[in-house]
Amino acid sequence: QSVLTQPPSASGTPGQRVTISCSGSSSNIGNDYVYWYQQLPGTAPRLLIYKNNQRPSGVPDRFSGSKSGTSASLAISGLRSEDEADYYCVGWDASLSGYVFGTGTQVTVL
Amino acid sequence: EVQVVESGGGLVQPGESLRLSCAASGFSVSRSWMHWVRQVPGKGLQWVSRMNIDGRVTNYAASVKGRFTISRDNAKNTLYLQMNSLRADDTAVYYCARDFGGPNDDWGQGTLVTVSS
Repeated sequence: QSVLTQPPSASGTPGQRVTISCSGSSSNIGNDYVYWYQQLPGTAPRLLIYKNNQRPSGVPDRFSGSKSGTSASLAISGLRSEDEADYYCVGWDASLSGYVFGTGTQVTVL
Repeated sequence: EVQVVESGGGLVQPGESLRLSCAASGFSVSRSWMHWVRQVPGKGLQWVSRMNIDGRVTNYAASVKGRFTISRDNAKNTLYLQMNSLRADDTAVYYCARDFGGPNDDWGQGTLVTVSS
């Protein structure tokens, strides 16, 4: 029941820049902030970006977020092997009165 | 040190109830927005519920509304999720999170709930 759409996979070689898109609607991304989470295999999700483009303490500046209209994106620059993980966008949906996650994107470092 | 520890998961039959607990340390649940998020093994994340700081505002995902209830015990510094009328599609790892989406975002390691006959 995800209402935010992400590409199922993305990949790059070490050092490259990878971008993950997140497409929503006027009731979620177009109306409120977007957040991004990283989930390594077998671990709990970790917040990477909050309020569209803010990084919590400890998150490398290789990770950046942006938003435009009803879409958002996460960019990973200087890709590293430890960036292999699943990435999820999430936002508040006013019509559902709840948070909605994206479908998730698996990033592979070639 | 901030710590969030979920417990209470297990195997139950469809229609039964279960209460999950989320014990917090290093912060007060009464001073934080607290959330429950779940994940079917091998699948994506789904937000389940939240409670605001004064405990008066709660929200639920449509799929659990009317069946699940979020609550807390300030004296025990513990958050709960009472789950009634459980269904097979409620099978998931349930995570407790503080300040979901905020600069103090902290998650537990999750507790597995399996609903099966």
